[in-house]
Amino acid sequence: AQKITQTQPGMFVQEKEAVTLDCTYDTSDQSYGLFWYKQPSSGEMIFLIYQGSYDEQNATEGRYSLNFQKARKSANLVISASQLGDSAMYFCAMKRGTGAQKLVFGQGTRLTINP
Amino acid sequence: GAGVSQTPSNKVTEKGKYVELRCDPISGHTALYWYRQSLGQGPEFLIYFQGTGAADDSGLPNDRFFAVRPEGSVSTLKIQRTERGDSAMYLCASSLDSQETQYFGPGTRLLVL
Repeated sequence: AQKITQTQPGMFVQEKEAVTLDCTYDTSDQSYGLFWYKQPSSGEMIFLIYQGSYDEQNATEGRYSLNFQKARKSANLVISASQLGDSAMYFCAMKRGTGAQKLVFGQGTRLTINP
Repeated sequence: GAGVSQTPSNKVTEKGKYVELRCDPISGHTALYWYRQSLGQGPEFLIYFQGTGAADDSGLPNDRFFAVRPEGSVSTLKIQRTERGDSAMYLCASSLDSQETQYFGPGTRLLVL
């Protein structure tokens, strides 16, 4: 079975600082995908970034990067130069294999950016 | 282009009633997923469709929950004899079969009184 663990229920960061949100995962699969989603108070899940288990380079998307450490089974999200609009819930998720498969989510981290 | 849409955005019903939640995926997306999110939790998988057929319904909690996608596009999640414990956010997502990323709709907040 797959499991995602997010150990930080809440994080408080000053605007313009970088922030790292932790995510560890457990799986016996060799092929899997890791995702981060942002959920503002409106409720919609917004896709941020994806990392495949066979990708050798860490994924980056604008201010978001994924620090993928396969041996440690961690997939931390790094947000550079945080903005007030980054305040939201952040979820780490994984799925097995490639293509269409269900996502398994962690409990989430609530990020608050202070001005 | 249009994203995933879900209707209604909010639904209040009484215990024991029947409800239907609708999801309209991104045009051309062959895979469609339903998740349920309780307050303070991450989303939990319910069911997903490849085309018209349910490829995995292992997350449906019991036989009061049922979902259909008759023409391979719009899907309806049906809940019979609703219970207060069914109160949650119901999220729908879609993806291209060969792609990794699931794109979510705005969700339907269901409240069972």
